[in-house]
Amino acid sequence: NAGVTQTPKFRVLKTGQSMTLLCAQDMNHEYMYWYRQDPGMGLRLIHYSVGEGTTAKGEVPDGYNVSRLKKQNFLLGLESAAPSQTSVYFCASSPQLAGGLYEQYFGPGTRLTVT
Amino acid sequence: AQSVSQHNHHVILSEAASLELGCNYSYGGTVNLFWYVQYPGQHLQLLLKYFSGDPLVKGIKGFEAEFIKSKFSFNLRKPSVQWSDTAEYFCAVNPGYSSASKIIFGSGTRLSIRP
Repeated sequence: NAGVTQTPKFRVLKTGQSMTLLCAQDMNHEYMYWYRQDPGMGLRLIHYSVGEGTTAKGEVPDGYNVSRLKKQNFLLGLESAAPSQTSVYFCASSPQLAGGLYEQYFGPGTRLTVT
Repeated sequence: AQSVSQHNHHVILSEAASLELGCNYSYGGTVNLFWYVQYPGQHLQLLLKYFSGDPLVKGIKGFEAEFIKSKFSFNLRKPSVQWSDTAEYFCAVNPGYSSASKIIFGSGTRLSIRP
């Protein structure tokens, strides 16, 4: 199993450009998440999905959109990139376990720089 | 608001020293607790987890953590660190029986080991 994969690994955008980050998991997990990681701030949840066709906002959703058309894929879009979106983006997935348990499996990350 | 505090932002130790990283959370009910590790340039990996039962949990690579409910703490320990333990460590809390979005990460502790 590849686990959780992310495409691309690195990207540089100019302010105002758009892009889509792709996350794929082959573990048949129900839940998928997008986080951003900034120095000294840990991981902050952008959007998440509890199943195919569903998405919900996390802690810092502004400026991002997501889609989960297939269970194994979770796309994160930036319609008009801003320098404040320079960050490392991590995708994660987790199975739906009993008792509200959400152990997450992370992808390798995408380093995005917006100039 | 629910929060996770990691008070040590950067810890520097010599090889063979003992390690204890603090983690405190603010949620008062049943919780599921995790420690993740992020080696330089890599994605987050699960070190250990606590769901229920014995409050002293053992993880990979000789790490352990103790859940002290009365102190709302889940500190990570290792009796003798190695240079390869250089990484960033994140504590995460998921309130039991809550939604998938309620996984709250601490801001992380960077551990540097002097050879």
